[in-house]
Amino acid sequence: EVQLLESGGGLVQPGGSLRLSCAASGFHFSDYAMGWVRQAPGEGLEWVSAISDSGGSTYYADSVKGRFTISRDNSKTTLFLQMNSLRAEDTALYYCAKVAAPWWNDRFDSWGQGTLVTVSS
Amino acid sequence: DIVMTQSPDSLAVSLGERATINCKSSQSVLYSSNNNNYLAWYQQKPGQPPKLLIYWASSRESGVPDRFSGSGSGTDFTLTISSLQAEDVAVYYCQQYFTTHSFGQGTKLEIK
Repeated sequence: EVQLLESGGGLVQPGGSLRLSCAASGFHFSDYAMGWVRQAPGEGLEWVSAISDSGGSTYYADSVKGRFTISRDNSKTTLFLQMNSLRAEDTALYYCAKVAAPWWNDRFDSWGQGTLVTVSS
Repeated sequence: DIVMTQSPDSLAVSLGERATINCKSSQSVLYSSNNNNYLAWYQQKPGQPPKLLIYWASSRESGVPDRFSGSGSGTDFTLTISSLQAEDVAVYYCQQYFTTHSFGQGTKLEIK
């Protein structure tokens, strides 16, 4: 059974940084692309970032480009999202999601429960 | 960027009746080389992460009841629930994965 467990969320001041982690199990992690999707309180889903199976290709939404960095450690089956220069509008529940293929352009077939990031002074 | 627009924003349907949700993309998500539409549908219940229902516009994910079906091609897509059950109350999202990813704004489905 696929399991994705996010951690690292919390309260941070505007301009601050956080690093999210997603521990994956139940599948061969290095064979699949991964992504992050966020959901602001009471709002819809917003794709944030994606990374290929090897980590060699990364993609970002315009809203986070230049501030967020996605990475992965295939030896530790863990996905990361480094978030810098955080803004109030980054406040959301951040989901880790598995892509159904090694490349980014496929559906998200498994999701974690999410980790909450709150940006506020 | 591809913008996904769903209609309606909310929908109330009687138990056992058909529910139809529409999704329109700002540009085609049909890849001519493989004739696949890069379009998925998700269901999200309160307090839960999204769940994949449909991919490639019309392929049902394993374990999803056959009352859920997807159709459409190019820029216009539809999710149909043939006979609404109480457990289908949720918000439904379409998503394109043709160029990066983007989601529709969601359609809230309730019981009439």
